[in-house]
Amino acid sequence: DTGVSQNPRHKITKRGQNVTFRCDPISEHNRLYWYRQTLGQGPEFLTYFQNEAQLEKSRLLSDRFSAERPKGSFSTLEIQRTEQGDSAMYLCASSLDLGYEQYFGPGTRLTVT
Amino acid sequence: AQTVTQSQPEMSVQEAETVTLSCTYDTSESNYYLFWYKQPPSRQMILVIRQEAYKQQNATENRFSVNFQKAAKSFSLKISDSQLGDTAMYFCAFVVAGGTSYGKLTFGQGTILTVHP
Repeated sequence: DTGVSQNPRHKITKRGQNVTFRCDPISEHNRLYWYRQTLGQGPEFLTYFQNEAQLEKSRLLSDRFSAERPKGSFSTLEIQRTEQGDSAMYLCASSLDLGYEQYFGPGTRLTVT
Repeated sequence: AQTVTQSQPEMSVQEAETVTLSCTYDTSESNYYLFWYKQPPSRQMILVIRQEAYKQQNATENRFSVNFQKAAKSFSLKISDSQLGDTAMYFCAFVVAGGTSYGKLTFGQGTILTVHP
């Protein structure tokens, strides 16, 4: 197992376009998290999945954002009608259970022009 | 709500010396975990060290150790024998155990550490 992977690593899009990111967690991890990190800041929680169930969403996750984790494996994060304020690094992390450390992927850097 | 504060935006240290990064947190919870994560330039975040709040003994991981003061809500990271590869942004993070926190991490603002040869 090579750890958490994310694709694409970089995405440049024009304002108003839709984008989708993918995260593949460590295979035996049932918990999956999405965070957003802006330049020079710490990551901020967006949403959490336990297996295929999305159990919590941050207020940061507006109606333009949607996340899925079909079959409790990989997850996708979609942003509709992107805005310049959506430009950030989107991080995915996975863990085995509460109290265990979260393992992070390399992130997807989104630039909205 | 939990908050994590790192009051040192930037720190620098000479190779082979020791440096301490500060972190304070605020919570009304009694059962939680604290972490230090390292994010090298343009590379992914990796875990440095973990501390369970119910443990009085400070965690140690090779050259990295913490000073956990639960009453003061302080969680500092000491790096001994600093190496050039320690250059990175360091984040202090907090997670509530149990309840409806679902294990989401709350991060501080980060401290940029530069190790000089």
